[in-house]
Amino acid sequence: GAVVSQHPSWVICKSGTSVKIECRSLDFQATTMFWYRQFPKQSLMLMATSNEGSKATYEQGVEKDKFLINHASLTLSTLTVTSAHPEDSSFYICSASPSGSGNNEQFFGPGTRLTVL
Amino acid sequence: GQQLNQSPQSMFIQEGEDVSMNCTSSSIFNTWLWYKQEPGEGPVLLIALYKAGELTSNGRLTAQFGITRKDSFLNISASIPSDVGIYFCAGSLGIYGGSQGNLIFGKGTKLSVKP
Repeated sequence: GAVVSQHPSWVICKSGTSVKIECRSLDFQATTMFWYRQFPKQSLMLMATSNEGSKATYEQGVEKDKFLINHASLTLSTLTVTSAHPEDSSFYICSASPSGSGNNEQFFGPGTRLTVL
Repeated sequence: GQQLNQSPQSMFIQEGEDVSMNCTSSSIFNTWLWYKQEPGEGPVLLIALYKAGELTSNGRLTAQFGITRKDSFLNISASIPSDVGIYFCAGSLGIYGGSQGNLIFGKGTKLSVKP
C-alpha cells in the first residue's frame, strides 16, 4: 500500500515551454500532497504544499506564478513549470500523506527528471 | 527556520559491518522519519518515530527518537551491498493523531558498501 506515482519520469524541453508533471496516490486518498525539488547531490527542498480543493502554499522564494499547482482530486496533484529555463532543470519529487492517517508519514513518488535545453 | 545536521556525510564500509548515522536539531521535533533514496528514484520510508525515547526496528535497521526530541539515530546491522544509497532523516512538528506538519530534511548520508 501507499504507492505514489509520477508522470512523466523524465522530460526534456526547450527553454520557454511549459511542462506539466502529475502526481497520483494509487491506493489511498491524500488531502495534502507536497512538491519537492532536488538538485544533484543535495537534499530535498520543499517547494509547496498542495491542498485538495484550495490554493497551494508556497515556500519562501518559490514563485507561485512559475510553478503552478493544481490539486483537483484526492488522488491527483499537478505541477506545471511555466516558461521553463535551464536553471529549472532538476529532479522534481512529489509526496503524499494518507488522509486521516493521523501521522506525518509522507510517501514519495519516483520523481521526474526535468531537463531544459 | 529549523535545520537538521546529519552526519556523517558519507561512509565507506565493508560488507557485514554495522553502520550508525544521526541527525541533530537546534530545536525540537515531534516526529522523526528516516528515508533511503537510490539514484534516480524517490525516497522510501524506512522508519517513523513519534515519541521521545522510542526505539523502533525494521529488519536490520533500528532508529531511535532522542529523549530531548532534538536528535535521532539510525543503525544498520550487518550491512549488505544493497544497503547502498543515501539515507535522509526528516523531522516534523506535526503530532501523531493531531496536526500535520511539513518535513524538514537532513542533507543525507551516502553509504557505500564494499563486498
